[in-house]
Amino acid sequence: DVVMTQTPVSLSLAIGQPASISCKSSQSLLGTSGKTFLNWILQRPGQSPKRLIYQVSKLYSEVPDRFSGSGSETEFTLKISRVEAEDLGVYYCWQGTHFPRTFGGGTKLELK
Amino acid sequence: EVQLVETGGGLVQPGKSLKLTCATSGFTFSNAWMHWVRQSPEKQLEWVAQIKAKSNNYATYYAESVKGRFTISRDDSKSSVYLQMNSLKEEDTAIYYCTPPYFDYWGQGVMVTVSS
Repeated sequence: DVVMTQTPVSLSLAIGQPASISCKSSQSLLGTSGKTFLNWILQRPGQSPKRLIYQVSKLYSEVPDRFSGSGSETEFTLKISRVEAEDLGVYYCWQGTHFPRTFGGGTKLELK
Repeated sequence: EVQLVETGGGLVQPGKSLKLTCATSGFTFSNAWMHWVRQSPEKQLEWVAQIKAKSNNYATYYAESVKGRFTISRDDSKSSVYLQMNSLKEEDTAIYYCTPPYFDYWGQGVMVTVSS
């Protein structure tokens, strides 16, 4: 199975600060279709996961543009330009290129 | 609006069985390849099972950790997907979510606790 490794495990930031989360895969996530199925979800405290980003850098329509995703092959990054209170929670990357789908261990964003 | 409502969880002894139901609405269920994903008490997410659509002969796939014990099925007339869980183990304790193909919608999940 593809192992997804996220760093850091936790992040403590003040409102307005930028955030950066890394996600590394044990195999290239570039598929035979030419697409890279690396995605991000956010789980706020006490809630179910919610979609954020798909195929590395594409934001779902309801996601604020302070979020961005980048990367290729095996290294990917989620960035928040300026953290807001509603951004706190656990961020997970997951890959859909290889079977079975696998998730990173999560990065907990806390407010300082 | 897409909705997914998981039910059927609870406390069960090791070796026993449980059947989860996920009722959906707001999207074309019959065309959707549906998944079950679980989240352990340590918050780790794990893909569990997938069922494809009728056009794909309802093909099913399982994580190695549940293969031979869990069965995923669907009823397109009810827009519902099911997870029959047999021979449950303590390590199956988790919140179980059903989710459509791109994990872009999630229900509230259902808690399954396996303990003697």
